[in-house]
Amino acid sequence: QQQVKQSPQSLIVQKGGISIINCAYENTAFDYFPWYQQFPGKGPALLIAIRPDVSEKKEGRFTISFNKSAKQFSLHIMDSQPGDSATYFCAAARMDSSYKLIFGSGTRLLVRP
Amino acid sequence: DTAVSQTPKYLVTQMGNDKSIKCEQNLGHDTMYWYKQDSKKFLKIMFSYNNKELIINETVPNRFSPKSPDKAHLNLHINSLELGDSAVYFCASSQNSLAKNIQYFGAGTRLSVL
Repeated sequence: QQQVKQSPQSLIVQKGGISIINCAYENTAFDYFPWYQQFPGKGPALLIAIRPDVSEKKEGRFTISFNKSAKQFSLHIMDSQPGDSATYFCAAARMDSSYKLIFGSGTRLLVRP
Repeated sequence: DTAVSQTPKYLVTQMGNDKSIKCEQNLGHDTMYWYKQDSKKFLKIMFSYNNKELIINETVPNRFSPKSPDKAHLNLHINSLELGDSAVYFCASSQNSLAKNIQYFGAGTRLSVL
């Protein structure tokens, strides 16, 4: 059972454009939604995260939009740069004692110069 | 100074062998994890330890056995390796609270079973 569905699988954007990656979750008990960024040969690193009590969180060029009723959240990368080319993973977790992250399947982003 | 370090970075071995991967974190975190990333980049949790106590044990073959000698170390031992075990294994650590769960990942160990 895939609890977190992510799309698209891959994305090509021109430099300066907006990259949008979408995720949907099934378990309404999830209450923590992070995005991780992974460069080739490296481990994932936390990019930005949101709790369900807010609908949007912005950090620099990165914004999470959260729709609790639709059980969907998305990552927007404004003014995309070639250095943003990486694989992006959404995830969801219950902030109870286990803190288990359920990851989406990943999106390979390529930003063309 | 690397926060979460894994050794070895690459591991090539034959089917049926037993191998171990070591992980150490110097962040003072109380929780450590092992993840498996397959060839399609899908990332799945395998185990988690909190203060040396096993708290997450996903549906993983019992050929995989984690061991946490102390809070800063979480090793993964794999018996009777199979072709399907080929993947990148990531160790991670976090200091959890009700407000956040920031997991810091190591650089990964690429395991190839021939």
